[in-house]
Amino acid sequence: AQSVTQLGSHVSVSEGALVLLRCNYSSSVPPYLFWYVQYPNQGLQLLLKYTTGATLVKGINGFEAEFKKSETSFHLTKPSAHMSDAAEYFCAVSPSSDKIIFGKGTRLHILP
Amino acid sequence: DTGVSQNPRHKITKRGQNVTFRCDPISEHNRLYWYRQTLGQGPEFLTYFQNEAQLEKSRLLSDRFSAERPKGSFSTLEIQRTEQGDSAMYLCASSLWTDSSGNTIYFGEGSWLTVV
Repeated sequence: AQSVTQLGSHVSVSEGALVLLRCNYSSSVPPYLFWYVQYPNQGLQLLLKYTTGATLVKGINGFEAEFKKSETSFHLTKPSAHMSDAAEYFCAVSPSSDKIIFGKGTRLHILP
Repeated sequence: DTGVSQNPRHKITKRGQNVTFRCDPISEHNRLYWYRQTLGQGPEFLTYFQNEAQLEKSRLLSDRFSAERPKGSFSTLEIQRTEQGDSAMYLCASSLWTDSSGNTIYFGEGSWLTVV
């Protein structure tokens, strides 16, 4: 069965500092991997996705993630945090174009 | 392209009543998904359609829940005899699934249900 583990339900970083949100997955087949962001009382917005090819994926708002098969990880990074990045972030896995399975989420807090 | 639209956005109902949510997907998207999200949790998969066919239902979808997509366009999610545990946000999403492009799912704003 496919699953996603997000390490840390809350992460705090200072404005301008590096953002690192951790995600590990399990999948019996080569997965598609996603990061979504959710602002309060809103739906989910796609940040980036990995399907095949280049393992470093660039997304919107300066975020990127690297697929590491050997570590079964897909961590999300951003070089410099902005106050507007405060939100809930969800890592997700989809086995071969099937439904998406989400992690429990990480709430990112930005400290002034 | 107006995105995935969900109605109503908020619904408060008394325990035991029936409620129905509607989802209008992005036009020409062949797949439509329903998820449920409670506070502090990630979205949980409920069911999905490819065109009008319901391809998978989660065990979370009890007999009180039914979803339809009669013409392969909009979908409805009905909850009968609501219980307080049904209080959650119900998210609809859609995608254009093809063999080669992968499956990027786009979400609506969600429908909040409060059962009192």
